[in-house]
Amino acid sequence: AQSVTQLDSQVPVFEEAPVELRCNYSSSVSVYLFWYVQYPNQGLQLLLKYLSGSTLVESINGFEAEFNKSQTSFHLRKPSVHISDTAEYFCAVNVNAGGTSYGKLTFGQGTILTVHP
Amino acid sequence: GAVVSQHPSRVICKSGTSVKIECRSLDFQATTMFWYRQFPKQSLMLMATSNEGSKATYEQGVEKDKFLINHASLTLSTLTVTSAHPEDSSFYICSGSAYNEQFFGPGTRLTVL
Repeated sequence: AQSVTQLDSQVPVFEEAPVELRCNYSSSVSVYLFWYVQYPNQGLQLLLKYLSGSTLVESINGFEAEFNKSQTSFHLRKPSVHISDTAEYFCAVNVNAGGTSYGKLTFGQGTILTVHP
Repeated sequence: GAVVSQHPSRVICKSGTSVKIECRSLDFQATTMFWYRQFPKQSLMLMATSNEGSKATYEQGVEKDKFLINHASLTLSTLTVTSAHPEDSSFYICSGSAYNEQFFGPGTRLTVL
């Protein structure tokens, strides 16, 4: 079975500062990796995903994450955050079974990013 | 992107009553839908996987007789919390799978008094 660990439950930063949200996973088979963002009282929105190919993936709003197989990590980064980035971020994995990437997801505990002015 | 809706967004009910939550894929067909539960300040926990036209597969520790799931069509899945109790109060989120991805609904906040 796979598991996901998000090392930081809360990350406070100032606006325009860089940020890294850490995510480590464990699995005996290859996985697909995802980052989701959740605003208060809302569902999850996909931020970015790694399925195959380039290990560096980017979102449209400036976030990026790098899949590091040797360290079993998929840390999320942004070089300069905005107030609007304040939200909870979840890392998730699912097993690359049969080539499908939309199966059961295992989520990390979540990291609350708070951007201060 | 693909859109998933949930109804109602919030519901308050008395202990012992049953509550039905609907999950609809608005612009795509979801062969598989998932139901998650999220307690305050915690992550999402998968409750069950629902495939259209067949019985749902429940995760360990989830009572199938308490959380009834019906996936009657490719665009609709329902979760019924039967004989709800205060400990069932939670945020319930569904998702539908398509295009190599899961698309999440906005969630339903259930409060059982």
